[in-house]
Amino acid sequence: KAGVTQTPRYLIKTRGQQVTLSCSPISGHRSVSWYQQTPGQGLQFLFEYFSETQRNKGNFPGRFSGRQFSNSRSEMNVSTLELGDSALYLCASRPLGAIDSPLHFGNGTRLTVT
Amino acid sequence: DAKTTQPPSMDCAEGRAANLPCNHSTISGNEYVYWYRQIHSQGPQYIIHGLKNNETNEMASLIITEDRKSSTLILPHATLRDTAVYYCIVRAKNSGNTPLVFGKGTRLSVIA
Repeated sequence: KAGVTQTPRYLIKTRGQQVTLSCSPISGHRSVSWYQQTPGQGLQFLFEYFSETQRNKGNFPGRFSGRQFSNSRSEMNVSTLELGDSALYLCASRPLGAIDSPLHFGNGTRLTVT
Repeated sequence: DAKTTQPPSMDCAEGRAANLPCNHSTISGNEYVYWYRQIHSQGPQYIIHGLKNNETNEMASLIITEDRKSSTLILPHATLRDTAVYYCIVRAKNSGNTPLVFGKGTRLSVIA
């Protein structure tokens, strides 16, 4: 099975711009989560989607949003980019149903805001 | 979810067993112990998880103490490719959409 695929792998944007990141989960996985990783804060949860609905949200401003499509693919959007949004953005998927199913992560999109 | 404590760093000689400890003294009966690792510039990789019995898979073994207050991840024959940050995470059964909470982990350096 193919793993979690994230595109693009690297992205450079300017302050004030917006960006959209894409994630394709493992086939059959219906839940998709997004995490932000920075050297200072480590891995922090952004949000989780399944059945095209946001199920949980971390402590991030409204500039961070996401959505999930009927094929379980997900996108996240960051508007009005700030320098502090520079980070590795990780997507993870898991199947629903099994109570202890682990998350499977992609290799992330590294966003640099200048 | 219970908090975990891990040493910030460890070294291991190539070919030897790497034993990574994790303390989770406030773990409750319905909480699993999960281990992930993150190799530089990659996403976290799931390794293994367990509830109370010891577990083994093709990557590692997980030893959980009888009182469940601590656990050890064992990489039986460490290679240079095992150099990574290892995260121990405790998470309740039926957590549903409760997110994983990552601490700072243990940076394992495998030395030739």
